[in-house]
Amino acid sequence: DTAVSQTPKYLVTQMGNDKSIKCEQNLGHDTMYWYKQDSKKFLKIMFSYNNKELIINETVPNRFSPKSPDKAHLNLHINSLELGDSAVYFCASSQDVWGRTEAFFGQGTRLTVV
Amino acid sequence: QQPVQSPQAVILREGEDAVINCSSSKALYSVHWYRQKHGEAPVFLMILLKGGEQKGHEKISASFNEKKQQSSLYLTASQLSYSGTYFCGTDEIYSGNTPLVFGKGTRLSVIA
Repeated sequence: DTAVSQTPKYLVTQMGNDKSIKCEQNLGHDTMYWYKQDSKKFLKIMFSYNNKELIINETVPNRFSPKSPDKAHLNLHINSLELGDSAVYFCASSQDVWGRTEAFFGQGTRLTVV
Repeated sequence: QQPVQSPQAVILREGEDAVINCSSSKALYSVHWYRQKHGEAPVFLMILLKGGEQKGHEKISASFNEKKQQSSLYLTASQLSYSGTYFCGTDEIYSGNTPLVFGKGTRLSVIA
């Protein structure tokens, strides 16, 4: 059983489109995150949710909107995609809200905007 | 405040040792280490908490010097499976609600 799973694994889309990435964790964790990893491998936090509530929103354009229907799911919706949005997006979860415990990452979604 | 990792990249032959360093300009509560293999997700290695301890996992261990705000990851008798990019993540004491901040990574290549 995959602990943190995200879909799709690959996403190729045109500029201006809207797309969503889904994430689910079966670890019973209270906290979920979205990270963006750019072409230089820099891993940057985007959002953090604790028990369905937004905790952290790190200067991300408002075209990115996370939604957490329950504490096991955290989806990411992106409007009006731009070339610069191309990256690998990782979902992760941890037990502790401040990231002071081990984080488990999903396999990543490689988004390519053309 | 993004921690600084060094070296940026290192190439080892099997059986050789390596040290990866992570330093911050801020007082730290903890340092986390992750390894990411090419095309895969980052995988947790260990957390070192304020209070000083050295942790180990088989032939990979780490130390945390709170006063210097530094952590080092030690890989001994490296194996091919150690290849990947190693990230440290730092949790600042006075950061409030800010999340873990990752360094830019150290790419480790182990060759036969």
